[in-house]
Amino acid sequence: AQSVTQLGSHVSVSEGALVLLRCNYSSSVPPYLFWYVQYPNQGLQLLLKYTSAATLVKGINGFEAEFKKSETSFHLTKPSAHMSDAAEYFCAVSYRGGGNKLTFGTGTQLKVEL
Amino acid sequence: GAVVSQHPSRVICKSGTSVKIECRSLDFQATTMFWYRQFPKQSLMLMATSNEGSKATYEQGVEKDKFLINHASLTLSTLTVTSAHPEDSSFYICSARGAATDTQYFGPGTRLTVL
Repeated sequence: AQSVTQLGSHVSVSEGALVLLRCNYSSSVPPYLFWYVQYPNQGLQLLLKYTSAATLVKGINGFEAEFKKSETSFHLTKPSAHMSDAAEYFCAVSYRGGGNKLTFGTGTQLKVEL
Repeated sequence: GAVVSQHPSRVICKSGTSVKIECRSLDFQATTMFWYRQFPKQSLMLMATSNEGSKATYEQGVEKDKFLINHASLTLSTLTVTSAHPEDSSFYICSARGAATDTQYFGPGTRLTVL
């Protein structure tokens, strides 16, 4: 069984500050990990994914995430927040041979303040 | 690339009627499509997985006779909510995956309101 825990349902940062959104996973087999962003009343857009290649993954819009097996984490970061980054962020896990079913975390609402 | 569309984006219907939602992969062949529902301020819950030409596999607790899924071609899947009731009001999102990728690409969602 797989699960994802996103610590912090709401995160608030100042524009220009570091963004850190936390994701910890539980999986009995090597995982595939994803970060998606959702803007209000829209579907999900893929930010980045880890599928057992490089542990530091760079995505769109300046986001990146690092897979740390020892910590079972896949935290999402961005060096400098922009107002347009305000959205809901979801971490998700799947695994090879699992039918590509995604298990989502509960989401983190990012607020960016001036 | 990897664009998925949904139609309609919003639908309001009366209780007891049926509603069909379409999900299309516009620039790739989707061997597998997934249907999710999302309640306000909550995460996505997988309802069912459909492979082209096969019957859909429903998650536990999802009524297959109420949520009819058809995946007749490699670019189109439909979800029909039969005899809709107010408790079926939700945001329904589909995703699609091609044969050579582990990534799901999501549609923009359909907001269903049942009066």
